[in-house]
Amino acid sequence: AQKITQTQPGMFVQEKEAVTLDCTYDTSDQSYGLFWYKQPSSGEMIFLIYQGSYDEQNATEGRYSLNFQKARKSANLVISASQLGDSAMYFCAMREASGNTGKLIFGQGTTLQVKP
Amino acid sequence: GAGVSQSPSNKVTEKGKDVELRCDPISGHTALYWYRQSLGQGLEFLIYFQGNSAPDKSGLPSDRFSAERTGGSVSTLTIQRTQQEDSAVYLCASSLTRTDTEAFFGQGTRLTVV
Repeated sequence: AQKITQTQPGMFVQEKEAVTLDCTYDTSDQSYGLFWYKQPSSGEMIFLIYQGSYDEQNATEGRYSLNFQKARKSANLVISASQLGDSAMYFCAMREASGNTGKLIFGQGTTLQVKP
Repeated sequence: GAGVSQSPSNKVTEKGKDVELRCDPISGHTALYWYRQSLGQGLEFLIYFQGNSAPDKSGLPSDRFSAERTGGSVSTLTIQRTQQEDSAVYLCASSLTRTDTEAFFGQGTRLTVV
């Protein structure tokens, strides 16, 4: 069964430094998509970045990049030059093409705190 | 509106009562999803709508939970005879199609069953 694992319940990073949030996934599908969402304390889910399983290059969006290692089934999120506003909960999620619904399977999340 | 709208934002109800949670997706979005987030946990899929039909209800935890969508737009999630374990944040998301690379989430409804 498909599964997303985020092994870091909480992380600290110094402002202006880079941080990597880990995500591993399990699927038997060849076609799937990987997502990262940010959830601030206000509760809304903010889409950050997407990586398709057939994309050969790692996805990047501004300060966010996704370190996609297909053979290892990992999709780590790298945030460069951390800002205080990056403090939030971060969720990794997967969508399988075979499911035919587009539903997302989420990990348990990682709480990131950026220190001034 | 510009985004996904959910109401109410907070709901406190007594155990055993029925509740209705509403989701207004982004106009034109055919795919609509309900998720549940228990305290400090990840999101758990409940149900998927394509237009007005629900081809995937596999995440509904019991027959006390039901949902409908009308006019390809507004969706209502109903929980009958609420239990304390139903306390959670219920999030709605919509996307233009089910294969879009981004789903837009509402702010959620925080349900507390006392």
